[in-house]
Amino acid sequence: DTEVTQTPKHLVMGMTNKKSLKCEQHMGHRAMYWYKQKAKKPPELMFVYSYEKLSINESVPSRFSPECPNSSLLNLHLHALQPEDSALYLCASSLTPGQGQETQYFGPGTRLLVL
Amino acid sequence: LAKTTQPISMDSYEGQEVNITCSHNNIATNDYITWYQQFPSQGPRFIIQGYKTKVTNEVASLFIPADRKSSTLSLPRVSLSDTAVYYCLVGGGAGNMLTFGGGTRLMVKP
Repeated sequence: DTEVTQTPKHLVMGMTNKKSLKCEQHMGHRAMYWYKQKAKKPPELMFVYSYEKLSINESVPSRFSPECPNSSLLNLHLHALQPEDSALYLCASSLTPGQGQETQYFGPGTRLLVL
Repeated sequence: LAKTTQPISMDSYEGQEVNITCSHNNIATNDYITWYQQFPSQGPRFIIQGYKTKVTNEVASLFIPADRKSSTLSLPRVSLSDTAVYYCLVGGGAGNMLTFGGGTRLMVKP
């Protein structure tokens, strides 16, 4: 199984809503990532989890709150988002944390629209 | 982090070989060069990775000169389904995270 799954595929939320994005992998990978991608732009790294611990936070606003309940799951909790947060949110995983040369496997993403 | 520079876009025709060059002048000694492909509304997909000289797999080849300040992704006999954005990433050495550059938007025409 070389698949990273993400739910939901699409999400529309208001600025006062609280929602969560979910990511799952069963490849035994111990590094998991959240990226944000705006239209016609490259993915931007948001968070990195290594062995279920947050290791990198790329100065992301606190309205985005990541969580790694176990080695297979990664959540991104959303609260009080702004319309400019509308984007494709990508989850990825790789085998060994700290080894940037490893292949990252990406999920299909969640398309988020904030109204 | 090493910065990469790629052409913004390229056009090709079915059956042709496509070469996309990426510049990375400040690549670090331990950095690897990795290429990803991304279709609209999908996550990036790993294509190929190399450190030096030439690497080939079933979908592409990667050419890296001795100074490693650039690399060229070669896609043999492209088809319409190869229309996508191709990203060159440099990193991985000493814990450097991979950073996506601007990408090259490849359009393959019939």
